[in-house]
Amino acid sequence: GAVVSQHPSWVICKSGTSVKIECRSLDFQATTMFWYRQFPKQSLMLMATSNEGSKATYEQGVEKDKFLINHASLTLSTLTVTSAHPEDSSFYICSARARGANEQFFGPGTRLTVL
Amino acid sequence: AQSVAQPEDQVNVAEGNPLTVKCTYSVSGNPYLFWYVQYPNRGLQFLLKYITGDNLVKGSYGFEAEFNKSQTSFHLKKPSALVSDSALYFCAVRPNQAGTALIFGKGTTLSVSS
Repeated sequence: GAVVSQHPSWVICKSGTSVKIECRSLDFQATTMFWYRQFPKQSLMLMATSNEGSKATYEQGVEKDKFLINHASLTLSTLTVTSAHPEDSSFYICSARARGANEQFFGPGTRLTVL
Repeated sequence: AQSVAQPEDQVNVAEGNPLTVKCTYSVSGNPYLFWYVQYPNRGLQFLLKYITGDNLVKGSYGFEAEFNKSQTSFHLKKPSALVSDSALYFCAVRPNQAGTALIFGKGTTLSVSS
């Protein structure tokens, strides 16, 4: 089956620093990737949708200058949390979908803790 | 607004008993419907999906779901629960439009006691 990986699986950083999270589709070409964040015991909230080679589309209320998304290739998308603050602490999950496919495949998630 | 509702925050069942986790949706057109399971600190694992065809869909680990268009529901079921089924379950809908992301319900915690 299709596999999506995320790196790192967890990260702890100081307030004010930037953190980059990678999302890779290992065995298929992901023309579309999605980034979600999940607070404890809550649902996944879509942050942005990125299509390979074009700018990401951000959901209302998500700051595009704070959450930088790059989808430079068909197998890699990155989310950079810039100038992170404790309120950015969350579980970030990516998913990937191949062109024309109905199904999304989810990465294992990245736990970000900002001190 | 398009939405997915999971009316129960938690479902408790005894091992060996049947289980149902409810999901209703409000989406225009003919959406695609999904169920995912999440274990603590893990990503989502796909269980099953309905796109078209037979209303009863069978998926992974013995789970099944029934699509009911008139009630706009897609309840997840299993005839005999296992303790290992204890997890967080999400219903999701994808409006039948190219490029659209999934809309998730808030999730239901399933607890199966031995």
